[in-house]
Amino acid sequence: GIQVEQSPPDLILQEGANSTLRCNFSDSVNNLQWFHQNPWGQLINLFYIPSGTKQNGRLSATTVATERYSLLYISSSQTTDSGVYFCAVAYGNNRLAFGKGNQVVVIP
Amino acid sequence: EAGVVQSPRYKIIEKKQPVAFWCNPISGHNTLYWYRQNLGQGPELLIRYENEEAVDDSQLPKDRFSAERLKGVDSTLKIQPAELGDSAVYLCASSLSGRVGQETQYFGPGTRLLVL
Repeated sequence: GIQVEQSPPDLILQEGANSTLRCNFSDSVNNLQWFHQNPWGQLINLFYIPSGTKQNGRLSATTVATERYSLLYISSSQTTDSGVYFCAVAYGNNRLAFGKGNQVVVIP
Repeated sequence: EAGVVQSPRYKIIEKKQPVAFWCNPISGHNTLYWYRQNLGQGPELLIRYENEEAVDDSQLPKDRFSAERLKGVDSTLKIQPAELGDSAVYLCASSLSGRVGQETQYFGPGTRLLVL
């Protein structure tokens, strides 16, 4: 099946810092989404981004489908940004394949 | 509008015991998903329903797992008998239709299962 790799696996940020999370995928995909799982386990969709760039507040995402990667940018990080960020790709058999996630901890 | 509701939130059982999880999707959502999330991993699909029909259950371990979605609304996922390796978070999600990757899936808070 399709492989989804995320880096870095763990990240500690000082509040106010910026960061970039990366998602690489091994094959052509129909779509790509970024999710945030908060410390209580709730998964929230952040971006639905098959290609191009989107911004939502302090978060933005860029997908370059031809090169099989996506980036999630967090600017001016806040403690509420802590949690696990998942990249998920939709592929041939109408499924979502998730990466292992980027564990982010923002300290005050 | 209420989100996806799951119960129980936590469950601790001994191995070989049965266990059941319940999910109520967002009103009007035709597609329902059950995922399993192991520690340190992303969610993995177990089964996907379109209304009452299970359209993708190829990753459901059918020797011990079963699921149903009566009347195309609520769904129940059952494990019988549970094994130690079944300890995980079981997530339910729903979406308007089955266009995976073309629309948002809304996730419930999950049920954390610990098998002793």
